[in-house]
Amino acid sequence: EIVLTQSPGTLSLSPGERATLSCRASQSVSSSYLAWYQQKPGQAPRLLIYGASSRATGIPDRFSGSGSGTDFTLTISRLEPEDFAVYYCQQGRTFGQGTKVEIK
Amino acid sequence: EVQLVESGGGLVKPGGSLRLSCAASGFTFSSYSMNWVRQAPGKGLEWVSSISSSSSYIYYADSVKGRFTISRDNAKNSLYLQMNSLRAEDTAVYYCARDFGGAAIGDYWGQGTLVTVSS
Repeated sequence: EIVLTQSPGTLSLSPGERATLSCRASQSVSSSYLAWYQQKPGQAPRLLIYGASSRATGIPDRFSGSGSGTDFTLTISRLEPEDFAVYYCQQGRTFGQGTKVEIK
Repeated sequence: EVQLVESGGGLVKPGGSLRLSCAASGFTFSSYSMNWVRQAPGKGLEWVSSISSSSSYIYYADSVKGRFTISRDNAKNSLYLQMNSLRAEDTAVYYCARDFGGAAIGDYWGQGTLVTVSS
């Protein structure tokens, strides 16, 4: 069973800063099935990235995904106020535990 | 516009049953696999079950296997989750999500329905 470990658990940043979130798999996984979601309090998750690096419909280009094998990264180039949320990675039927991006 | 609307959540005693529904609109429901994903209060996301477009392929998380049954009615554009032998640890918001590419990735999600298992 694949385990996805996200780091850090919490990222404290200011608007305008760059956010780098990590997702590490316990074994090599297919990039085709690696996704990232954003979730705000009281809301459903929102698909940001699929196939490790493809942006979902309507997702701003400040969000980008990269990686392969066991190491994947979600980057938010310049944080907007609405980007402060929890982010999850997913590979197939497994989710990471999430990274909270909070305002510093 | 793609819409998914869950219903059927509520308070149930341990050992009890509940049936969740997800009404789909805005897309050709019969062409997509569907998923149920849950989130316990204050916790992360947990995949629960998936069903293929024609119901030929069905998968469950080990935590619910033998207790939950996923089904769909393509004529009614509806997805279901029958939950039996409920436990306290099944308490969560249950989301239905449209499957993107057959990998349990959800490109559209409902707003969720809360299931509380408590005596």
